[in-house]
Amino acid sequence: LAKTTQPISMDSYEGQEVNITCSHNNIATNDYITWYQQFPSQGPRFIIQGYKTKVTNEVASLFIPADRKSSTLSLPRVSLSDTAVYYCLVGAAGNNRKLIWGLGTSLAVNP
Amino acid sequence: EAGVTQFPSHSVIEKGQTVTLRCDPISGHDNLYWYRRVMGKEIKFLLHFVKESKQDESGMPNNRFLAERTGGTYSTLKVQPAELEDSGVYFCASSQPSFSGANVLTFGAGSRLTVL
Repeated sequence: LAKTTQPISMDSYEGQEVNITCSHNNIATNDYITWYQQFPSQGPRFIIQGYKTKVTNEVASLFIPADRKSSTLSLPRVSLSDTAVYYCLVGAAGNNRKLIWGLGTSLAVNP
Repeated sequence: EAGVTQFPSHSVIEKGQTVTLRCDPISGHDNLYWYRRVMGKEIKFLLHFVKESKQDESGMPNNRFLAERTGGTYSTLKVQPAELEDSGVYFCASSQPSFSGANVLTFGAGSRLTVL
């Protein structure tokens, strides 16, 4: 399955927009791109998933270029409670067991 | 709906002892997964159940680990005898069958295992 590359850490301030980019150069045709958020002492939590172009929900937006070799998670107007680790994963339906999690991006939102 | 529940939240045992971790998935979720994260390392897949059947246990570290899911509901992960390197956080996740879209897992809060 595709391995992803994302920054180890990022810093931001309350009210700013945060964009976390993930590279997945060898993404397969039937792979989806999924982002999870994890707070300390909790399990990862699904936030958004997409296949191509743009997906938006109440939490975030996901931008995927035409070649799908990267994706950008956009968090609008972050708050202190958005401080967490964000994981980017790619994989096809039914392949949850083969997902490569990586270390994620540790986002610190400062006051 | 109730989420994925794991018990205990933290267990401290001595090397050589036995520990059993339990996971209650979301009702109706046929897929159940166990993952582990050792401190400073990535989250790693351990095994996957579809209902009561083991679909894939390729991630299980060795035969000291035994997972069961009797009746296709809750699952247990037993470590016997525990070794120091088994310390870490064990996550359970469940999902519905996916025919469109993929990889939407609901995780429990994890069970932290400390082996002394």
